Amino acid sequence: EAEVAQSPRYKITEKSQAVAFWCDPISGHATLYWYRQILGQGPELLVQFQDESVVDDSQLPKDRFSAERLKGVDSTLKIQPAELGDSAMYLCASSLEAAKETQYFGPGTRLLVL
Amino acid sequence: DAKTTQPTSMDCAEGRAANLPCNHSTISGNEYVYWYRQIHSQGPQYIIHGLKNNETNEMASLIITEDRKSSTLILPHATLRDTAVYYCIVRVVGTYNFNKFYFGSGTKLNVKP
Repeated sequence: EAEVAQSPRYKITEKSQAVAFWCDPISGHATLYWYRQILGQGPELLVQFQDESVVDDSQLPKDRFSAERLKGVDSTLKIQPAELGDSAMYLCASSLEAAKETQYFGPGTRLLVL
Repeated sequence: DAKTTQPTSMDCAEGRAANLPCNHSTISGNEYVYWYRQIHSQGPQYIIHGLKNNETNEMASLIITEDRKSSTLILPHATLRDTAVYYCIVRVVGTYNFNKFYFGSGTKLNVKP
C-alpha cells in the first residue's frame, strides 16, 4: 500500500538554527498539506499545496517558516531561525484531489528545539 | 477552530464494542464527517467518513443522526491495539473549493484487558 514518506523522523536543533523537513506524497496525489501538532493537541494546518501552487498558507508564520513544492511532487518545509516554541510534530499529508478526497498522513517529523 | 466536541477520554474492555460520540451541531449540509485515529508517536490514520448515511468498513461503523448534529464511531470488537486518540473532524470546503480539516483534541480511548 502506498504511503506518504517523511524525513527525518526525529530532529534536535538549537534555537536560532535552520531546520528543514522533507515530504514525498503518495504518487499521483495533487494536494499536499503540512500540519504542526503540539503535544497533547490535534494537528493544525500550516500550508496546503495544489500541485506546485500554495492555496492556503494563512496559518504559516511567514517570518520564519517557508514551504515549497517546486515540481509539484515532493515538498520541503523550512524553519529559520528555529525557536523553542517550534518544538512539535510536523506532519505531511496528501490527497488525490483537493475538494473530495481523504487525506493520508505520513509518520511525521518530531522536532526538539533546545 | 475545531467544529466538533468529543469527550477527553473513554475506557473500553477488550473484546467489547467501543462507541465514541461526537457533536457537530454547526455542520453544514455539504460538510462530511471524518474519523481518524493516532496511535502514540505516529501519523493520523484514516478510519471512515460519511455525509448523511451510516457507513461501515473493515475497521469501523459510523452512525450519523438524522439531523447530522452528532455521530458515533463504533469499533465492534476493540483490541488492545485500538488504544489511541480518536479525532472526529468536519471537513470544510474552503476557498477555491479546497477542503480543510479542523482537528480538535480528540478522545483518548483506553482499551483494557
